[in-house]
Amino acid sequence: NAGVTQTPKFQVLKTGQSMTLQCAQDMNHEYMSWYRQDPGMGLRLIHYSVGAGITDQGEVPNGYNVSRSTTEDFPLRLLSAAPSQTSVYFCASSLDRKVMNTEAFFGQGTRLTVV
Amino acid sequence: EDKVVQSPLSLVVHEGDTVTLNCSYEVTNFRSLLWYKQEKKAPTFLFMLTSSGIEKKSGRLSSILDKKELFSILNITATQTGDSAIYLCAVFIIQGAQKLVFGQGTRLTINP
Repeated sequence: NAGVTQTPKFQVLKTGQSMTLQCAQDMNHEYMSWYRQDPGMGLRLIHYSVGAGITDQGEVPNGYNVSRSTTEDFPLRLLSAAPSQTSVYFCASSLDRKVMNTEAFFGQGTRLTVV
Repeated sequence: EDKVVQSPLSLVVHEGDTVTLNCSYEVTNFRSLLWYKQEKKAPTFLFMLTSSGIEKKSGRLSSILDKKELFSILNITATQTGDSAIYLCAVFIIQGAQKLVFGQGTRLTINP
């Protein structure tokens, strides 16, 4: 059981480049989310999804797009990278309605640097 | 606006001390409160609390929730250097929108 798989682990982008951070979970969780973590800021919610085909904005959505075509996958797209998007990104999944367990499982994170 | 606030933001103690970390929240449609420990990489789950007054315990760590006063505490007794980490509090809300909202975290440093 792999849990939450997040790729890549590290990435350096030039300003204006685009890229996609991948996230996949194999726990049949309904809820998936993307966070960014900056020093002293805790984890801030970028986008989240409550199920396939349903996404919504979190606290800091600007500059990011998401889609949820399957229960398992929730990619995060940076459309035109900016230095302000330099951060550590975490994907998480939770909410197993069969047991009503909302514990969130996290991927290992992506350290993104935009130069 | 849903808000989770942790205090203190940073704490330095000596090995063997007992620490109490605080988490207060103002959210709509509370479902559960979760505590995580983050060392170098991904946060790892510690506790999930849904009911007031029921202490959850795991070794030297314990936590309790007060849904009337809207806060939770995380206690660590007989601290060890391996307890050094960022401790994150998060609240899961469900009604229409379903979100896990995090506090800023408390950076705990245990000196030998």
